[in-house]
Amino acid sequence: KQEVTQIPAALSVPEGENLVLNCSFTDSAIYNLQWFRQDPGKGLTSLLLIQSSQREQTSGRLNASLDKSSGRSTLYIAASQPGDSATYLCAVRLIGAGNMLTFGGGTRLMVKP
Amino acid sequence: DAEITQSPRHKITETGRQVTLACHQTWNHNNMFWYRQDLGHGLRLIHYSYGVQDTNKGEVSDGYSVSRSNTEDLPLTLESAASSQTSVYFCASSGGLAGAEEQFFGPGTRLTVL
Repeated sequence: KQEVTQIPAALSVPEGENLVLNCSFTDSAIYNLQWFRQDPGKGLTSLLLIQSSQREQTSGRLNASLDKSSGRSTLYIAASQPGDSATYLCAVRLIGAGNMLTFGGGTRLMVKP
Repeated sequence: DAEITQSPRHKITETGRQVTLACHQTWNHNNMFWYRQDLGHGLRLIHYSYGVQDTNKGEVSDGYSVSRSNTEDLPLTLESAASSQTSVYFCASSGGLAGAEEQFFGPGTRLTVL
């Protein structure tokens, strides 16, 4: 069974720092990996989708990398801002599992002014 | 703009009642999903559908059912609500058959079963 782990569970940083969120998964036979952002009391907003054949994807200050062989992905946030405070979730789509996603537990990020 | 809407946004019900949560998407996506989110368990898949008349059980399907009569809607029914079904429910959709597309999520329904 695919397990997805996100460490740390919570992170507090001062504004302006560059930071890395980690996601690891146990089964490397994946179609893709997706990073989401969730604000308190809200739904999930898709940030980046990385296909299994890709090594990274970028959107603005966000950069996500994927190392399928080692079962790891990182989300890099440059020059963090208080508005980046949210919970960040990663999810993988496993080959042979249809279109279903398996989610990590999330990293709760707080960026202090 | 295309979107996913869920209704109601908040619902309080009593144990044993039947409850239906609505999900409507205007993306024209084939694939639709229902998840529940609980502290300590994260997001777990309840049911999913790959098209009209297609439904499948997910990881935590006991006590829930879905039906897909058109592309836009996938209502989730709790047959006889239990306190263990108090949770936040999210609907999601994605396009295509290959599954390379992103999943897009609705705003969620917070359900309390007393």
